[in-house]
Amino acid sequence: AQSVTQLGSHVSVSEGALVLLRCNYSSSVPPYLFWYVQYPNQGLQLLLKYTTGATLVKGINGFEAEFKKSETSFHLTKPSAHMSDAAEYFCAVTPYSGAGSYQLTFGKGTKLSVIP
Amino acid sequence: DAGVTQSPTHLIKTRGQQVTLRCSPKSGHDTVSWYQQALGQGPQFIFQYYEEEERQRGNFPDRFSGHQFPNYSSELNVNALLLGDSALYLCASRILSPGRPLGYNEQFFGPGTRLTVL
Repeated sequence: AQSVTQLGSHVSVSEGALVLLRCNYSSSVPPYLFWYVQYPNQGLQLLLKYTTGATLVKGINGFEAEFKKSETSFHLTKPSAHMSDAAEYFCAVTPYSGAGSYQLTFGKGTKLSVIP
Repeated sequence: DAGVTQSPTHLIKTRGQQVTLRCSPKSGHDTVSWYQQALGQGPQFIFQYYEEEERQRGNFPDRFSGHQFPNYSSELNVNALLLGDSALYLCASRILSPGRPLGYNEQFFGPGTRLTVL
């Protein structure tokens, strides 16, 4: 069984400030981890993913995330927020292998607002 | 290269009716999954199709059924619609690579079909 918890359903930051979106997961087997972004009235776009190897993962649009196994976390960060970053962000997990690997399990999402 | 496409974009139905949603996967992809995203929630997995067979199913009733065609496109059918079925339905595709763990390749999502049940 697996689950994803995203702390904070709504985060507001000023333009140019650090963005930190939190994600903790629970998985009975080693997972693959993903961050997706959803703009209004659109589908999901992959920002970055962790599979194996380096625990600091860089994605598109200046975002990065660090996999911390001991903390079961995969927080998303960006050094300087831009107005275009305003969107909803979803953390997702899938098992490394086994039948559950067919599906992504998503958190409830965090809506990011950027204040000019 | 076209990404994942879905039709229709929007749909309005009444309770008790049946609906069919369609999805064409990204070029080269052979696996299609369907997700339901209720307002203010994360997507919930409905089922996944590979080689025209349902491979895994989430916690959804039998009113939700699907099909995958030889060209890898897929349909989602929902019978006896309830008000609670109102949601954004997302289709996602990926490729299952031989030699790679099952969960390795990311899923690419379409823009979704917004279903409203009155």
